[in-house]
Amino acid sequence: DVQLVESGGGLAQPGGSLRLSCAASGFTFSTYEFNWVRQAPGKGLEWISYISNKYPRVEYAESVKGRFTISRDNAKNTLYLQMDNLRAEDTAVYYCTREFWYLNLWGRGTLVTVSS
Amino acid sequence: EILLTQSPATLSLSPGERATLSCRASQSISDSLAWYQQRPGQAPRLLIYGASHRVTGIPDRFSGSGSGTDFTLTISSLEPEDFAVYYCQERNNWPSITFGQGTRLDIK
Repeated sequence: DVQLVESGGGLAQPGGSLRLSCAASGFTFSTYEFNWVRQAPGKGLEWISYISNKYPRVEYAESVKGRFTISRDNAKNTLYLQMDNLRAEDTAVYYCTREFWYLNLWGRGTLVTVSS
Repeated sequence: EILLTQSPATLSLSPGERATLSCRASQSISDSLAWYQQRPGQAPRLLIYGASHRVTGIPDRFSGSGSGTDFTLTISSLEPEDFAVYYCQERNNWPSITFGQGTRLDIK
């Protein structure tokens, strides 16, 4: 099956770190670009990061720039999001999305809660 | 930065009725617009891309139209599974992405 499966979410303290993973299967991972999109509880969708299929182009939303780092391992068919210096406002479901100009495949998401 | 404004915020209709959802961009984005559906507890899924192109497998009761700054998603005859939140998204400022705030389609 063509799918994306996120993992690594959970509870983190303010100022803490988490690393999200997104395992891809059923398609040629290395040929696609990817994004992370998040959704705070009861809120809309917010794009936070992009990575090209040809390293090293990456982009970030201003809300996470300098704190989050997107990366990929084409040998492991896995996308990552390293989240440092977490804030309460980073609490959200984080979705991994595959891009073909538009976001044509989404994972089910992983919940990140930042609270003391 | 391009802003997308969706209207109405909430739309209450009955099964079988026609739904018309609007998305307005703060500046022209040609046809670089997509629509997504998000059912409760699920991830969003792409319905329409390039303003009017339906994704394979999406029922033909869904249609998109518009260009420039004004876009519309129409659902010709609502089915029970269509009651969800709908988001528009622009791709004019690649690779960054902007979403509208969403329209909630409720059962009346």
